[in-house]
Amino acid sequence: DSGVTQTPKHLITATGQRVTLRCSPRSGDLSVYWYQQSLDQGLQFLIQYYNGEERAKGNILERFSAQQFPDLHSELNLSSLELGDSALYFCASSVVRTSGRDEQFFGPGTRLTVL
Amino acid sequence: GQNIDQPTEMTATEGAIVQINCTYQTSGFNGLFWYQQHAGEAPTFLSYNVLDGLEEKGRFSSFLSRSKGYSYLLLKELQMKDSASYLCAVMDYGQNFVFGPGTRLSVLP
Repeated sequence: DSGVTQTPKHLITATGQRVTLRCSPRSGDLSVYWYQQSLDQGLQFLIQYYNGEERAKGNILERFSAQQFPDLHSELNLSSLELGDSALYFCASSVVRTSGRDEQFFGPGTRLTVL
Repeated sequence: GQNIDQPTEMTATEGAIVQINCTYQTSGFNGLFWYQQHAGEAPTFLSYNVLDGLEEKGRFSSFLSRSKGYSYLLLKELQMKDSASYLCAVMDYGQNFVFGPGTRLSVLP
């Protein structure tokens, strides 16, 4: 158990819908990362938040958005869902050390199925 | 552009040594990470390299050559439980994490 929690574990929805994925980081970790993992594309970095502020942005679609709240939990919002959005979505957290050794701890993931 | 290459699949025998290579071309370099991921599970951190050389951690070692854009993960005394995907990831100057496609390792008895 990494200490990172994600809800829900599974989500089944229809095209065009909107869903929210939730992540609680490890106690003491200030940074949260979101990743998408699909069979044909591997692990894709979406976005990073640090202490409530967006810190880095990867291959995140405009239909997707995220935020980190004052209690440091984070939500990933996916809207206008398409079949291709079906994937495993991971959240990870880290302390963010000044040394750069930013070991990330991954949550168990949310499996999203868009029908 | 950002690019990380790893072999797609590797097979080795229990008790043996295997080396998984990773080459990268990224927008700057702020560190290289190796993760292990069992099927259907979350990735778990294995190692971190930011300076050239070898980092050893039990049965796992990781090597980095920044001038060559090259790293490898060395797994010794292979066990059946080491059958998993191994992901190479680079943090670039923008603090973005770029993951390689992963190498699926099968350990045979």
